[in-house]
Amino acid sequence: SYVLTQPPSVSVAPGQTARIICGGNNIGSKSVHWYQQKPGQAPVLVVYDDSDRPSGIPERFSGSNSGNTATLTISRVEAGDEADYYCQVWDSSSDHWVFGGGTKLTVL
Amino acid sequence: QVQLVESGGGVVQPGRSLRLSCAASGFTFSSYGMHWVRQAPGKGLEWVAVIWYDGRNKKYADSVKGRFTISRDNSKNTLYVQMNSLRAEDTAVYHCAREGELRLGKLSPFDYWGQGTLVTVSS
Repeated sequence: SYVLTQPPSVSVAPGQTARIICGGNNIGSKSVHWYQQKPGQAPVLVVYDDSDRPSGIPERFSGSNSGNTATLTISRVEAGDEADYYCQVWDSSSDHWVFGGGTKLTVL
Repeated sequence: QVQLVESGGGVVQPGRSLRLSCAASGFTFSSYGMHWVRQAPGKGLEWVAVIWYDGRNKKYADSVKGRFTISRDNSKNTLYVQMNSLRAEDTAVYHCAREGELRLGKLSPFDYWGQGTLVTVSS
């Protein structure tokens, strides 16, 4: 089955740029979606189709996807961005949705 | 506004059954695919199952296939999952989630999620 690999944690100072990666075999050929989940809350879609933003999501959130790595970039990080972030793809070979293991973003 | 509210969670013994419900409102329920996603305590998200907007097609994660059954009642705007032969490893918060609008040639992400209901499998 298809595997998505994320680093367990990323730390960044306020105002800096956070980059969260999601690795997968030829992930560049798939559409990657990203979710933010704060403690005790439901996940929220922040980037879809590699780099599009749903309405209401700040422009500070952006994404890219190429080769074996997709990246969620959060510019000018704020304390309120502290959360777990998950990448997701549809694996057509297994007909299953797959999530990455999640990355905890800590704002120092 | 779109709302998804899960119910039916609780403590259940291994090998027993439980049915979860997800009440939907604020959108045309019968037009959207719906999913169950679970999250074990302190762990990440795990996709469980999907049912198409009309109920004609269903898919399951390997970990639950043959034990869980997803269904929906479009007249009641409600999504279900029947969980049989429960195991300790099924302990998790179960979220229902709406798949975004149908698109040609491409599946949509999950654009709305419920808060979830906790299922604890323990003797």
